[in-house]
Amino acid sequence: DTEVTQTPKHLVMGMTNKKSLKCEQHMGHRAMYWYKQKAKKPPELMFVYSYEKLSINESVPSRFSPECPNSSLLNLHLHALQPEDSALYLCASSQEGLAGLNEQFFGPGTRLTVL
Amino acid sequence: DAKTTQPTSMDCAEGRAANLPCNHSTISGNEYVYWYRQIHSQGPQYIIHGLKNNETNEMASLIITEDRKSSTLILPHATLRDTAVYYCIVRVRNTGTASKLTFGTGTRLQVTL
Repeated sequence: DTEVTQTPKHLVMGMTNKKSLKCEQHMGHRAMYWYKQKAKKPPELMFVYSYEKLSINESVPSRFSPECPNSSLLNLHLHALQPEDSALYLCASSQEGLAGLNEQFFGPGTRLTVL
Repeated sequence: DAKTTQPTSMDCAEGRAANLPCNHSTISGNEYVYWYRQIHSQGPQYIIHGLKNNETNEMASLIITEDRKSSTLILPHATLRDTAVYYCIVRVRNTGTASKLTFGTGTRLQVTL
């Protein structure tokens, strides 16, 4: 299995809603990432988890809350979002470690619309 | 990580070689050149990476100049399915901790009939 899966594919939410994005991989990768991509722009890193611990937070607002319950799963909890948070949210994973390759494998993304 | 410069867009006829240039004049000795592409409405896909030697895999070839200040990604026989945004990224290849990719604006390659 060389896939990163993301659910849902599309999400529409109001500014007062609470929702979660889910990402899963079964490649044994120990690093997982969240990126945000606005239309016609490159992806921008939000968070990095390494061995289930948050290792990088790119000064993301607290209305985005990541969670890594185990080595295969990565969640992004959303609360009180703004319309400008509408974007494609991409999850990625990579194999880390001394003998590993750290090319990142990306999921298809969740397209989020905040009304 | 070193900054990269790529042309905004390029066209290529189907069946011909697509040569995508990238300038990275401030690259450090321990930084690798990575290429990813993103087909419309999909997540980015890893293509190839290299340090100083030319590299080839089933998808593409990577030619790095001797001074390492620029590189070229070559798709030997472009098809319509190669239409995508191609990102050249320069970064240290970590061997123990997770590291980030910093995407530039990339080159939008349009393959035409």
